[in-house]
Amino acid sequence: AQKVTQAQTEISVVEKEDVTLDCVYETRDTTYYLFWYKQPPSGELVFLIRRNSFDEQNEISGRYSWNFQKSTSSFNFTITASQVVDSAVYFCALSEVSNNDMRFGAGTRLTVKP
Amino acid sequence: KAGVTQTPRYLIKTRGQQVTLSCSPISGHRSVSWYQQTPGQGLQFLFEYFSETQRNKGNFPGRFSGRQFSNSRSEMNVSTLELGDSALYLCASSFRFGSDSPLHFGNGTRLTVT
Repeated sequence: AQKVTQAQTEISVVEKEDVTLDCVYETRDTTYYLFWYKQPPSGELVFLIRRNSFDEQNEISGRYSWNFQKSTSSFNFTITASQVVDSAVYFCALSEVSNNDMRFGAGTRLTVKP
Repeated sequence: KAGVTQTPRYLIKTRGQQVTLSCSPISGHRSVSWYQQTPGQGLQFLFEYFSETQRNKGNFPGRFSGRQFSNSRSEMNVSTLELGDSALYLCASSFRFGSDSPLHFGNGTRLTVT
């Protein structure tokens, strides 16, 4: 069965610092999809990015960037020049083609202090 | 476009009672998934419905059930409530059934069992 590990339970940074959230996954499938979601205090999970297992290109979207490395089964998320509004719980998730249910990591609570 | 709507937002029930939670997906979305979120277990997959059929089920007892209507709206029912059922129940919709489809979440229903 697939598994997602987010070893960092909580991270606290000061505004404008860069921060990287780690995500390591396990799967036997060759075709799978990785996701990142953000859960602000309001509770609603917000989809940030999707990556398929055949696309290892890094992606940058504004202050957000993602590093996908199949060799280490990692899909890390970096926020550059963090802002207070980035404070939230961030979840990494994995969905295998073979069973189609999305499994989430435990989440990393990021606190950005002014 | 309206997002995923879950009702009610809060519920307080007593052990042994049953409860029904409702979810209206984003217009045009035909797949609805349900997740249970607790501090101890994190986000756990309950089940997924597509075209009124349950397509996938997580590892929860039979007390947890759901259904989907022809307009894609979904309900989740929990019978014989236990204290451990206290959680945030999240509904998510996606345009279609598939492991590559990002989930769009509602704000959740917070259930407290006393």
